[in-house]
Amino acid sequence: DQQVKQNSPSLSVQEGRISILNCDYTNSMFDYFLWYKKYPAEGPTFLISISSIKDKNEDGRFTVFLNKSAKHLSLHIVPSQPGDSAVYFCAAPPPTQGGSEKLVFGKGTKLTVNP
Amino acid sequence: DTAVSQTPKYLVTQMGNDKSIKCEQNLGHDTMYWYKQDSKKFLKIMFSYNNKELIINETVPNRFSPKSPDKAHLNLHINSLELGDSAVYFCASSPHTGRYTEAFFGQGTRLTVV
Repeated sequence: DQQVKQNSPSLSVQEGRISILNCDYTNSMFDYFLWYKKYPAEGPTFLISISSIKDKNEDGRFTVFLNKSAKHLSLHIVPSQPGDSAVYFCAAPPPTQGGSEKLVFGKGTKLTVNP
Repeated sequence: DTAVSQTPKYLVTQMGNDKSIKCEQNLGHDTMYWYKQDSKKFLKIMFSYNNKELIINETVPNRFSPKSPDKAHLNLHINSLELGDSAVYFCASSPHTGRYTEAFFGQGTRLTVV
């Protein structure tokens, strides 16, 4: 039973355009979300996070939007660069008790940015 | 100056063997984890340790035994390896177990059981 879902396994965009990566969750009790980026043969690296008390968090070219009513969040990358090509994971601590020791991950979306 | 390092990066072994994966973090974190990424690409928590104490064991077979000799190390020993154990295993750490903190991952160990 996937609590955090990334329904698009892959996404391809042109360099300089916007990349939008989507993530849905099933339980409205989730209150914190993280995005991780993973290159081949490397571990995931933390990218950006958002608390449920916000609907937007921005860090340079990366912005995460949270729509609590739709139980949906998205990661926007503007402008996209070839170096952004990686797998992006959406993650969250469990909706009930627990924290970082029990992160729930989506399946990931592979982003390819074409020069 | 690698933050979370795990060895080996690749491990190929025969069914029935026993193997270990080592992990070390130099971030001064209290909490360390083992995650498994299976063939379907899901990243799932296996074990969590806080200050050398086991706090999470996510229904992992007894053949998997984590050991934390100190806060900076969390090793994973696997007995009687099976084909289904083939996966990428990631070690990670975080400052604490709070909800609003991120985990830092090692580069992964690709285990192939033949």
